[in-house]
Amino acid sequence: AQKITQTQPGMFVQEKEAVTLDCTYDTSDPSYGLFWYKQPSSGEMIFLIYQGSYDQQNATEGRYSLNFQKARKSANLVISASQLGDSAMYFCAMREYSGTYKYIFGTGTRLKVLA
Amino acid sequence: DTAVSQTPKYLVTQMGNDKSIKCEQNLGHDTMYWYKQDSKKFLKIMFSYNNKELIINETVPNRFSPKSPDKAHLNLHINSLELGDSAVYFCASSPGHGNYGYTFGSGTRLTVV
Repeated sequence: AQKITQTQPGMFVQEKEAVTLDCTYDTSDPSYGLFWYKQPSSGEMIFLIYQGSYDQQNATEGRYSLNFQKARKSANLVISASQLGDSAMYFCAMREYSGTYKYIFGTGTRLKVLA
Repeated sequence: DTAVSQTPKYLVTQMGNDKSIKCEQNLGHDTMYWYKQDSKKFLKIMFSYNNKELIINETVPNRFSPKSPDKAHLNLHINSLELGDSAVYFCASSPGHGNYGYTFGSGTRLTVV
């Protein structure tokens, strides 16, 4: 079974609008962490935002927020006021512990922001 | 100053050769990683070191051997390169194994011909 699922291979959004990128996860570790990364066409990986499994509030970092729904095991990334520079691949990732630490990335969602 | 630097950025080599990729971080992080990103952009962890100690060793052919001379360096040596090894290899570091985001290097694009 997939540990991290990103069901949207590609998304379009109009500039200045908000967009939600979906991520669902599966783990039996009660203490896990969820991350989002951005990979622009230049290839580097950029850490965006983190959510801990025990965090009561949704994480926010500037225009990025994480819509954490623990019961549904979802950790969707919301980008507000999209900019052209937001066009990139976005990866959801999870850290869990099961005897050793495991870090698992989703397959990514390619976001294209339209002018 | 580059936080996590990998060299080389590009590597083209023939099948059967042995090559190394170097990684250095100047962030004072305790934990370093190697990830492989395939042509479909899928990222898979290969190794993780914490203070020079191997923590994660995923199912990776033993042709791949990481070496961490100190906690600021994690090099990847690959023996007998195969066509399927062609990928982008990312080095990353984090303050520990806790809930920290990684800082990634810029990647090394390896092409085996």
